[in-house]
Amino acid sequence: DGGITQSPKYLFRKEGQNVTLSCEQNLNHDAMYWYRQDPGQGLRLIYYSQIVNDFQKGDIAEGYSVSREKKESFPLTVTSAQKNPTAFYLCASSMGSGGAGNTEAFFGQGTRLTVV
Amino acid sequence: AQSVTQLGSHVSVSEGALVLLRCNYSSSVPPYLFWYVQYPNQGLQLLLKYTTGATLVKGINGFEAEFKKSETSFHLTKPSAHMSDAAEYFCAVTTSSNDYKLSFGAGTTVTVRA
Repeated sequence: DGGITQSPKYLFRKEGQNVTLSCEQNLNHDAMYWYRQDPGQGLRLIYYSQIVNDFQKGDIAEGYSVSREKKESFPLTVTSAQKNPTAFYLCASSMGSGGAGNTEAFFGQGTRLTVV
Repeated sequence: AQSVTQLGSHVSVSEGALVLLRCNYSSSVPPYLFWYVQYPNQGLQLLLKYTTGATLVKGINGFEAEFKKSETSFHLTKPSAHMSDAAEYFCAVTTSSNDYKLSFGAGTTVTVRA
């Protein structure tokens, strides 16, 4: 079945450690996104990529890094510079820009990161 | 710039009653509008979307929404609530002027009383 896979579902890390969240899609989508979700704040965009080997900062990119070496994969690294990393992280993909029919985003099941 | 405002962070309805979730958007160009549903500790699932054409949009699970340009609104309704409708609902907007990135509202949590 086509979809987006995020792993792991739960992740615990010590303060000061970098951690990488995995996101893989087999939908052949060009665009991929990382969102952070906190209670009462909706989803905030961290980074997005519209094509392989290219990505742009979203609204809250500080303390995060990404790579897009393959179309299927868009891993997110939460660095020690992120002041408050504990959150629910959602990865999404879409066909990308280029018309109304391509705007729908498909989401993974999320990774809940807890930093202690 | 585009943005979305969802009125009411929590809505409580009785089983069988009307569900109405309010969403207003701001956009300087024609918007594409979406409603997503999220169950606890899960990702988001698309309920319905408005891109062009008919302004009354029907989605999954009996939900529908109407795009009203004059009111800059895209309210979500369901005539009769079911216990399984208890979840968090997000309205989102995207436009051609913003690389088609989705901007989300803060969400509305729906509880259904038996």
